[in-house]
Amino acid sequence: IVLTQSPLSLTVALGEPASISCRSSQSLLHSGGYNFLQWYLHKPGQPPQLLIYVASDRAPGVPDRFSGSGSGTDFTLKISRVEAEDVGVYYCMQGLQTPPMYSFGQGTKLQIK
Amino acid sequence: QVQLVESGGGVVQPGRSLRLSCVASGFTFSSYGMHWVRQAPGEGLEWLADIWYDESHKDYADSVKGRFTISRDNSDNTLYLQMKSLRVEDTAVYFCARDRSYGSSPSWMDYWGQGTLVTVSS
Repeated sequence: IVLTQSPLSLTVALGEPASISCRSSQSLLHSGGYNFLQWYLHKPGQPPQLLIYVASDRAPGVPDRFSGSGSGTDFTLKISRVEAEDVGVYYCMQGLQTPPMYSFGQGTKLQIK
Repeated sequence: QVQLVESGGGVVQPGRSLRLSCVASGFTFSSYGMHWVRQAPGEGLEWLADIWYDESHKDYADSVKGRFTISRDNSDNTLYLQMKSLRVEDTAVYFCARDRSYGSSPSWMDYWGQGTLVTVSS
């Protein structure tokens, strides 16, 4: 399964919204009704951090300015008001394939204007 | 809190072997599946392998199948990645990550370590 993110680079002013798209080559909708699409943020010098799982559930401790949406093959990560600590590279990741062959999008670099 | 600490990286010549370790703490290691993921310089994330909580099941990416072996020691809370026949293109930061459950797919990783750098160069 190939994941295609857009844009690959994003420059946003503090307090402004941001949106990242992730398109899958195959549907990520599981028979159980969940879309196995996750979003991670990788800040420089830190381990990747899980933000969103099964397309729209926020991981523990993740601020509510982050939200995920979408189903099937099209997904979106939105940041309602960008803060300085949000800089880094955002990745979508699919975890649906069985046997496992997890794959990541190319990454979207978020910078502050 | 969940903590994952990788070690074992370094500079190694092409064709040689290296073993990475990942020590886990802050959770019941023996109850969770684990993963290895890498990031080559200037590139994105690449999933390499996973292992079930009881080592009963392992899966590998095609790029490392037959060369890399994932294993674990639940008595020591340690995950391993044995890498052999290393290539220049294996140069990357290697991360261990916890599975959100015991290891069965579909799934995802919920916590990651800081990573350890492996450089394959003559």
